[in-house]
Amino acid sequence: DGGITQSPKYLFRKEGQNVTLSCEQNLNHDAMYWYRQDPGQGLRLIYYSQIVNDFQKGDIAEGYSVSREKKESFPLTVTSAQKNPTAFYLCASSPIPENYGYTFGSGTRLTVV
Amino acid sequence: QKEVEQNSGPLSVPEGAIASLNCTYSDRGSQSFFWYRQYSGKSPELIMFIYSNGDKEDGRFTAQLNKASQYVSLLIRDSQPSDSATYLCAVRRWNTGGFKTIFGAGTRLFVKA
Repeated sequence: DGGITQSPKYLFRKEGQNVTLSCEQNLNHDAMYWYRQDPGQGLRLIYYSQIVNDFQKGDIAEGYSVSREKKESFPLTVTSAQKNPTAFYLCASSPIPENYGYTFGSGTRLTVV
Repeated sequence: QKEVEQNSGPLSVPEGAIASLNCTYSDRGSQSFFWYRQYSGKSPELIMFIYSNGDKEDGRFTAQLNKASQYVSLLIRDSQPSDSATYLCAVRRWNTGGFKTIFGAGTRLFVKA
């Protein structure tokens, strides 16, 4: 079955540590996205990519980095520069044009310890 | 003013009733409108999308769009306890360099058995 796989489901980060969240899709979608969700707030866009080896900053890119070396994969690194990383991170994909909405992965819940 | 506004709820309806969820948006150039359902602790899943003024029906769900008044609504007929979730409204509009999708913070729906 086609879908998006995010891993891990739960992740704990120590102060000053970089961590990488995995996102893989087998839907043959060109566009991929990373969103952050905090309680009581809408989804906020971190980064997106519409083609391999190219990506664009979203509204809250500071403290995050991404790569898109393969069409199927769009990993997100939360760096130590991100001062408040505790949140629910969602990866999504869509065909282009993005007229039909997104398919989301199951999410990664990141907690700073 | 938020670009996409939803009443946070909770909206409580008895089983079998019609649940009405509303969303307003500020950008008159918005072109596509989406409703996602998100169960607690899970990722959003697309329910419906609508582009044109009027109603669009899919099973027990009806999306209504009024571009002149800048609102979009979701009606859920014969509400079931399994419909209890947070419903996210999303709006796609043109942004410098490309389209952008903005999510509302969501409305929590509780269907009482």
